[in-house]
Amino acid sequence: KAGVTQTPRYLIKTRGQQVTLSCSPISGHRSVSWYQQTPGQGLQFLFEYFSETQRNKGNFPGRFSGRQFSNSRSEMNVSTLELGDSALYLCASSGQESSNRNNSPLHFGNGTRLTVT
Amino acid sequence: GEDVEQSLFLSVREGDSSVINCTYTDSSSTYLYWYKQEPGAGLQLLTYIFSNMDMKQDQRLTVLLNKKDKHLSLRIADTQTGDSAIYFCAETGGYQKVTFGTGTKLQVIP
Repeated sequence: KAGVTQTPRYLIKTRGQQVTLSCSPISGHRSVSWYQQTPGQGLQFLFEYFSETQRNKGNFPGRFSGRQFSNSRSEMNVSTLELGDSALYLCASSGQESSNRNNSPLHFGNGTRLTVT
Repeated sequence: GEDVEQSLFLSVREGDSSVINCTYTDSSSTYLYWYKQEPGAGLQLLTYIFSNMDMKQDQRLTVLLNKKDKHLSLRIADTQTGDSAIYFCAETGGYQKVTFGTGTKLQVIP
């Protein structure tokens, strides 16, 4: 089975621009989560989608948004970029079932490295 | 809120055992995980343990869980240079909201 695929691997943007990151989960996985990783804050949860619905959201401003498509692929958008948005953005998928609040393990992609100048 | 703590750095000699420790706060966590991150890569799931278990062994990896003290440890037997990486402990808070520790950088000295 192919793993979680994130594109692009690297992005350089300037302040004020917007960016869209893409994530293809492992085949059959319906839950997709996004995390931001920075040296100062570590790994922080952004949001999670299941069957095109956002089920959980972290403490990030509204400039961070996402969506999930019917094939479980997900995109994450950051508008009005700030220097502090420079980070590694990680996507993870899992075989989470909707009826089960308990978690199944997250499988991560290699991330998109975003640099804001 | 949830909090996960780890020591920042561990150095061991090749062939020795490594023990990475973690404490967490969310007593409702059902799964606890260990992930490995190598430079420039994402997080690789190493192993996980259910909260109703005390121990799990998987080849060179042994996970110990002390639920009373909310303490989790990862033991790597016969540590190799390829084990050099950052190791993250993580707990779950429901619906895939995972809280990660700060990561422990393991350095293996040949």
